Amino acid sequence: DQQVKQNSPSLSVQEGRISILNCDYTNSMFDYFLWYKKYPAEGPTFLISISSIKDKNEDGRFTVFLNKSAKHLSLHIVPSQPGDSAVYFCAASGPGGGADGLTFGKGTHLIIQP
Amino acid sequence: NAGVMQNPRHLVRRRGQEARLRCSPMKGHSHVYWYRQLPEEGLKFMVYLQKENIIDESGMPKERFSAEFPKEGPSILRIQQVVRGDSAAYFCASSPLHMPQETQYFGPGTRLLVL
Repeated sequence: DQQVKQNSPSLSVQEGRISILNCDYTNSMFDYFLWYKKYPAEGPTFLISISSIKDKNEDGRFTVFLNKSAKHLSLHIVPSQPGDSAVYFCAASGPGGGADGLTFGKGTHLIIQP
Repeated sequence: NAGVMQNPRHLVRRRGQEARLRCSPMKGHSHVYWYRQLPEEGLKFMVYLQKENIIDESGMPKERFSAEFPKEGPSILRIQQVVRGDSAAYFCASSPLHMPQETQYFGPGTRLLVL
């Protein structure tokens, strides 16, 4: 039973345009959400996070939106750059959700086309 | 400030051998987490440790797997009598605190291949 779902295995976006990566969760106890970026043969790199008390958090080109009623969050990257090509993981944590560790989605492979 | 360090980066073992994976957390971090990533999958939580204590091992298989974080030295994830299904990338993460909303920082991972 997957508690964090990323339904798009891959996404292709033209350089300079907006990339939107989506994530859905089922456990209403999750109260903290994170996005990680991962290059091949490397560990996940923390990008941005959001607490359940907020609906938006912005950091440079990256913005995360949280819709608690829909149990949905999204990561917006604008403008997209070639170096953004990577696998993006959505992760969640909270009391009773995934024990003491983060619960991850399966990832979305973002490909930025020149 | 060095990040989370893991070694070896790659490890090849034959079925039945033991695998030892090491993790040194970021300076100032006393909380360590181990995750496993199977091919085409997301990371799955295995175990959470503090110095000399296993806090939560709910994600770790009951047999053949063990973890420790001694007072001195790195955290060790040990897999005894490895099988082909243990082939995966094993990632360690650390955090300075274990607060409800604390970010975990990951190492580069150890890629275990069981022949």
